Amino acid sequence: GEDVEQSLFLSVREGDSSVINCTYTDSSSTYLYWYKQEPGAGLQLLTYIFSNMDMKQDQRLTVLLNKKDKHLSLRIADTQTGDSAIYFCAESKGKGYSTLTFGKGTMLLVSP
Amino acid sequence: GAVVSQHPSRVICKSGTSVKIECRSLDFQATTMFWYRQFPKQSLMLMATSNEGSKATYEQGVEKDKFLINHASLTLSTLTVTSAHPEDSSFYICSSVGGSGGDTDTQYFGPGTRLTVL
Repeated sequence: GEDVEQSLFLSVREGDSSVINCTYTDSSSTYLYWYKQEPGAGLQLLTYIFSNMDMKQDQRLTVLLNKKDKHLSLRIADTQTGDSAIYFCAESKGKGYSTLTFGKGTMLLVSP
Repeated sequence: GAVVSQHPSRVICKSGTSVKIECRSLDFQATTMFWYRQFPKQSLMLMATSNEGSKATYEQGVEKDKFLINHASLTLSTLTVTSAHPEDSSFYICSSVGGSGGDTDTQYFGPGTRLTVL
């Protein structure tokens, strides 16, 4: 079946870069997403990438996709304490109307 | 970006009562809304897909008579937890996909509703 895996925890110092990794198993995944969830809140869409792209950059965020290895990463440059949250990787086979399959989330802790 | 609201944000109820949670897309018309459930330190589990004007499609293992979903308009979907029990305590999150005036490439999530059943 479909599976999305993420490491559970990442700790970095303020100002460093953070890299959160995600792997997925379904080769028919078309859209890959990164969401951020702060404590007690819903999910905030950070960015998404189409499967025919290798990289997407949006300000401090860089998404890299290795479709051959089914590996997705999110790099946050100049990480700030406000970036501390849980980051979810998700995949779908179509546009927004399609079902999202989520990973279990990576907790990012940024220390001063 | 698209804004989705949920009401209430937190509710505490007694066992056996029913609780209604509203999900609204504030600045776009959503033809499709999704309802998720999230347990502590867990990922989101899709419960059902709600399409405006038609019956919701429930995921396997989700009781449709217990979790009633109504999507009566393009901006509002409701989830009613009927005869709630302590095991129904969870964080419920909705998402919307934009039809007219919205982005159809992704789901936009509400802030969630924390339900505690005593």
